[in-house]
Amino acid sequence: LAKTTQPISMDSYEGQEVNITCSHNNIATNDYITWYQQFPSQGPRFIIQGYKTKVTNEVASLFIPADRKSSTLSLPRVSLSDTAVYYCLVGKFSGGYNKLIFGAGTRLAVHP
Amino acid sequence: NAGVMQNPRHLVRRRGQEARLRCSPMKGHSHVYWYRQLPEEGLKFMVYLQKENIIDESGMPKERFSAEFPKEGPSILRIQQVVRGDSAAYFCASSQEWDSPLHFGNGTRLTVT
Repeated sequence: LAKTTQPISMDSYEGQEVNITCSHNNIATNDYITWYQQFPSQGPRFIIQGYKTKVTNEVASLFIPADRKSSTLSLPRVSLSDTAVYYCLVGKFSGGYNKLIFGAGTRLAVHP
Repeated sequence: NAGVMQNPRHLVRRRGQEARLRCSPMKGHSHVYWYRQLPEEGLKFMVYLQKENIIDESGMPKERFSAEFPKEGPSILRIQQVVRGDSAAYFCASSQEWDSPLHFGNGTRLTVT
């Protein structure tokens, strides 16, 4: 399974755009890139998933360059409620199931 | 459509007792995953089950831990003869298809005294 590396923590201010970059140099051909968000005392919540180029939904955008060795989660105009831990995962659909390996994540703190 | 339901939210056990954690997946989901999270750490995969079958238990300790997902009823994670090191948050997740995103419950926080 591909290992991911992302910053331990980030700080931002309300209204700013936040970009969290994750490196996954050993990503395999059939690996997808998935991001989850976790608030204290809650389970992780799915944000976005992609394979290549750009994916956008109502919450975030995910940018994946052609070599797929990294990806960037972009959160537009963050608010205080976006303070959470963000996990980048490279999920391998091997053996017919979605086995996700979580790293330590990035702790995002949004300040007023 | 209710989300993944886990109970109890908090569980306190003395060393040597048994802990039973329950997880009801989202309606229509037949794939269940269990993860464990220690304070300030990421989630660690424990086991993956698909209705009555254990598919991958590579992350589960070989002794004292067991999991099941019966045809009827919730998935159960059972820890026998708990020790202090078992204190953690245990999260259950479910998915509709094998390649669908996982939906997590809010976990059971086990404290062993």
